[in-house]
Amino acid sequence: NAGVMQNPRHLVRRRGQEARLRCSPMKGHSHVYWYRQLPEEGLKFMVYLQKENIIDESGMPKERFSAEFPKEGPSILRIQQVVRGDSAAYFCASSRLRREAFFGQGTRLTVV
Amino acid sequence: EDQVTQSPEALRLQEGESSSLNCSYTVSGLRGLFWYRQDPGKGPEFLFTLYSAGEEKEKERLKATLTKKESFLHITAPKPEDSATYLCAVHNMSQQGGSEKLVFGKGTKLTVNP
Repeated sequence: NAGVMQNPRHLVRRRGQEARLRCSPMKGHSHVYWYRQLPEEGLKFMVYLQKENIIDESGMPKERFSAEFPKEGPSILRIQQVVRGDSAAYFCASSRLRREAFFGQGTRLTVV
Repeated sequence: EDQVTQSPEALRLQEGESSSLNCSYTVSGLRGLFWYRQDPGKGPEFLFTLYSAGEEKEKERLKATLTKKESFLHITAPKPEDSATYLCAVHNMSQQGGSEKLVFGKGTKLTVNP
């Protein structure tokens, strides 16, 4: 049973480009979460999704960031017009309802 | 607003020197407290879930305990391979819309010297 799969592991984008981060949850998990981790900071919640639904996006910046979890395929976190402040590690986690969340290895985004 | 504070920020131990990490929390209704381990460049690895005061869980050299205001992660006779950042997180049952999000502390960076 493969764990949570994230790709790419490392992503470099120039300012103004778009970044697309992918996450495939563990088999049997229908809940997906995205977190952001800045150096020396804790993990910050961004968004919680179930299939085809955004349940809680209270941690998402109001502009440039969006997330989806389609009926088929991985969850996608999209960042448009990236800025240097978007450089961080982005982690995806998945779970069953009301159970512990398991994390992927993260995507490290660097904006140059 | 839910808050999670971990202490100390960093801890250095000699191999075999037991100690405890602290996680104090403020939530309106705790549904679960979680401990994770994170190695550099990796994602958090799930360790324990605690649901109610008085609950304890063990795994190898680690033991997690929970009170109404804080949790402790006890490390008995640690080894160098226990070196990592240990993260604590809480899930609030009162979250709007039934959100399953976790609120994390900043972690305790543990270094165990041989």
